[in-house]
Amino acid sequence: AQSVTQLGSHVSVSEGALVLLRCNYSSSVPPYLFWYVQYPNQGLQLLLKYTTGATLVKGINGFEAEFKKSETSFHLTKPSAHMSDAAEYFCAVSDLRESNYQLIWGAGTKLIIKP
Amino acid sequence: KAGVTQTPRYLIKTRGQQVTLSCSPISGHRSVSWYQQTPGQGLQFLFEYFSETQRNKGNFPGRFSGRQFSNSRSEMNVSTLELGDSALYLCASSTQGRAFFGQGTRLTVV
Repeated sequence: AQSVTQLGSHVSVSEGALVLLRCNYSSSVPPYLFWYVQYPNQGLQLLLKYTTGATLVKGINGFEAEFKKSETSFHLTKPSAHMSDAAEYFCAVSDLRESNYQLIWGAGTKLIIKP
Repeated sequence: KAGVTQTPRYLIKTRGQQVTLSCSPISGHRSVSWYQQTPGQGLQFLFEYFSETQRNKGNFPGRFSGRQFSNSRSEMNVSTLELGDSALYLCASSTQGRAFFGQGTRLTVV
């Protein structure tokens, strides 16, 4: 069975500092990995995804994530935090080989940006 | 393309009532999933429909049900509402594993 663990329900960084949100997964097959962002009172938006190919994936708003198979990780980073990045971030895994569009979600990490 | 549309956006119901939420997926998407989001439990999967058939179901009581129509639009019904059902209900339509979310329906049970 697949599962996703996000370390830290809340992460606080200063504006301009590095953002690092951690995600580890377990999967018996090569997974497809996603990061979604949720702003207050909104649905979730896709930030980036890894399916195959290059393990460093660039997304919107300056975010990127690196798939590390040996560490079963897919951490999200951004070099310089902006106040507008304050939101909740969800990591998710999917196994498309099951022809199953169910995403398995992490618990989410709230990113707080300090001025 | 229009995004995923959920109606209504906000709803207030009384304990014991029932409620029906609607979701119109992106045109061409055949998979529709429903999620419940609460501060305490986070994002929890309710069920997924694909071509009018429930393909997956989360761990929710039978009071939570859904259906999908031939045009892929989906409805979710909750009967005998409880205070704990207060949540943001999100619908997502999916293709190739990528989910596109609606803005959600905020249900408050009083």
